Amino acid sequence: GAVVSQHPSRVICKSGTSVKIECRSLDFQATTMFWYRQFPKQSLMLMATSNEGSKATYEQGVEKDKFLINHASLTLSTLTVTSAHPEDSSFYICSARDPGTGAYSPLHFGNGTRLTVT
Amino acid sequence: KNEVEQSPQNLTAQEGEFITINCSYSVGISALHWLQQHPGGGIVSLFMLSSGKKKHGRLIATINIQEKHSSLHITASHPRDSAVYICAAHGPGRGGADGLTFGKGTHLIIQP
Repeated sequence: GAVVSQHPSRVICKSGTSVKIECRSLDFQATTMFWYRQFPKQSLMLMATSNEGSKATYEQGVEKDKFLINHASLTLSTLTVTSAHPEDSSFYICSARDPGTGAYSPLHFGNGTRLTVT
Repeated sequence: KNEVEQSPQNLTAQEGEFITINCSYSVGISALHWLQQHPGGGIVSLFMLSSGKKKHGRLIATINIQEKHSSLHITASHPRDSAVYICAAHGPGRGGADGLTFGKGTHLIIQP
């Protein structure tokens, strides 16, 4: 079945550094990918929609200059957390919908990235 | 107020028990997803349904459109079923660009 691969699964970085997270669709082309953040015991919160070949669309309250999204190909989207701070520590997860299976087809999720900023 | 409410928030049961997790939503939907989030964080889509009932192995999902309610059942539960189960309502105008509104999840622990 369709698989979305996310890397790295876990990263620890120092405050002020930048971290890049990759999300790949392995057996389908994804013109749109979604990035979520999840705090402990909370719902998934949509951060932004990554659009292949165009600018990402950010949800209200998400700083686009802090969370840089690049979707340079139909199978890869990256999220870069710039100048990370301890409050950015969270679980980040991406998803994609196989466009060949309809508008309301299941979302395929990556395994997530647990970011810890020290 | 979250438009998608799940219950219970936490559930601990013994191996072999029949498990029911409930999800209620406040406005109309096009479809409802049930997701399973493993302890490591990875998420698997279990079901997407817009009416009736779906079954996959020991998992059964039902939805009642009139009552705006869905249930996820696990028969003959096993410790490997321990995970967080999340329902997400899907439809135009919902949530963000993904069209989803997520519940907070039900943390299920199956003890041997």
